[in-house]
Amino acid sequence: ETGVTQSPTHLIKTRGQQVTLRCSSQSGHNTVSWYQQALGQGPQFIFQYYREEENGRGNFPPRFSGLQFPNYSSELNVNALELDDSALYLCASSAGRYNEQFFGPGTRLTVL
Amino acid sequence: AQRVTQPEKLLSVFKGAPVELKCNYSYSGSPELFWYVQYSRQRLQLLLRHISRESIKGFTADLNKGETSFHLKKPFAQEEDSAMYYCALRAQGGSEKLVFGKGTKLTVNP
Repeated sequence: ETGVTQSPTHLIKTRGQQVTLRCSSQSGHNTVSWYQQALGQGPQFIFQYYREEENGRGNFPPRFSGLQFPNYSSELNVNALELDDSALYLCASSAGRYNEQFFGPGTRLTVL
Repeated sequence: AQRVTQPEKLLSVFKGAPVELKCNYSYSGSPELFWYVQYSRQRLQLLLRHISRESIKGFTADLNKGETSFHLKKPFAQEEDSAMYYCALRAQGGSEKLVFGKGTKLTVNP
């Protein structure tokens, strides 16, 4: 059984650019949640995708968007990057919306 | 609004000593509470959840609704317990969102 994987591991972008982060969910999981973890903070919920539909969103602006594909992998897209978007982005998959979430290793995004 | 507070950013104990990591929450309904742990160079993983009422790696946590707390305890800390610990809350009855505290870094000294 393969765990949750994320790519890339690290990414450096400049302010105003756009970025796409990817997540492959664990085998058998149909739900993916995305979190932003700023330095010294706990993870903060961005949104969740369940069976390819957005199923809940945290307090993030519309320039944070996502997709889930038929194989339940997912993308997080961030437009018009700001310096404060620099953070670790975590993806978590689960077998259902309310079941235990299994986290990936994260993507470290730096915005200069 | 849902909020989780972990008052200690850092906690240091000696091996064999008892350890308690504090977690307080703010939520008007019935919450589900969790403890997640992140060991060095590893990913975030679930340690325990209050509805399971089980002991994992010697850790226990009891939900105290009167004090709105969910403190994590272990009677005899081990060096391998050194890690970052996060308390998290989810609204019971169906919510996709986990709300995390800022975390406590536990160091167990030999």
